[in-house]
Amino acid sequence: AQTVTQSQPEMSVQEAETVTLSCTYDTSENNYYLFWYKQPPSRQMILVIRQEAYKQQNATENRFSVNFQKAAKSFSLKISDSQLGDTAMYFCAFMNLRGNAGNMLTFGGGTRLMVKP
Amino acid sequence: DGGITQSPKYLFRKEGQNVTLSCEQNLNHDAMYWYRQDPGQGLRLIYYSQIVNDFQKGDIAEGYSVSREKKESFPLTVTSAQKNPTAFYLCASSIRQGSNYGYTFGSGTRLTVV
Repeated sequence: AQTVTQSQPEMSVQEAETVTLSCTYDTSENNYYLFWYKQPPSRQMILVIRQEAYKQQNATENRFSVNFQKAAKSFSLKISDSQLGDTAMYFCAFMNLRGNAGNMLTFGGGTRLMVKP
Repeated sequence: DGGITQSPKYLFRKEGQNVTLSCEQNLNHDAMYWYRQDPGQGLRLIYYSQIVNDFQKGDIAEGYSVSREKKESFPLTVTSAQKNPTAFYLCASSIRQGSNYGYTFGSGTRLTVV
């Protein structure tokens, strides 16, 4: 079974600063996807960024980027120029692509990020 | 606009009652999922369905049941056998299982036992 670990239950950052959220995962598979989701106070889950394991290049979406270290099984999220609207719970998620039964998202426990003015 | 609609937003259940949470999508997605979220925790998979008239148990299926009679609909019933049903329930869909686009989520239902 896959496990996803987010070791930082809570973090805070000053507006306009940069913050990095950590995520590690455990798998014996080679082909998988990784995702970061944001859950603001509205509770709506929003996809932030995704990474295919076969791609060496780190994914980037505007102010959001990842540091994907496949050998270390690490998938951290960097938020640049933090904004008040970035305040939310952030979930790291893993999707194994082996076979038919493994294609579900497995989520980490989440990191609560507070952006301070 | 395409999306997933969950209803109701808030639901109160008395002890011993069954309640059904609605999930409807107009995204033409094949796969649908139900997750449970407890305070301060991540999401845990209850049930999933890859195609109409087929569904599979997830990690915490005990005390829950589902049906998938239409592609657009995937209702979740919380039965009296579920001993601790108070939680936030999220429905999601994907174009197919294993899609690299990830999931689209509904806005959730907060269930409280009174």
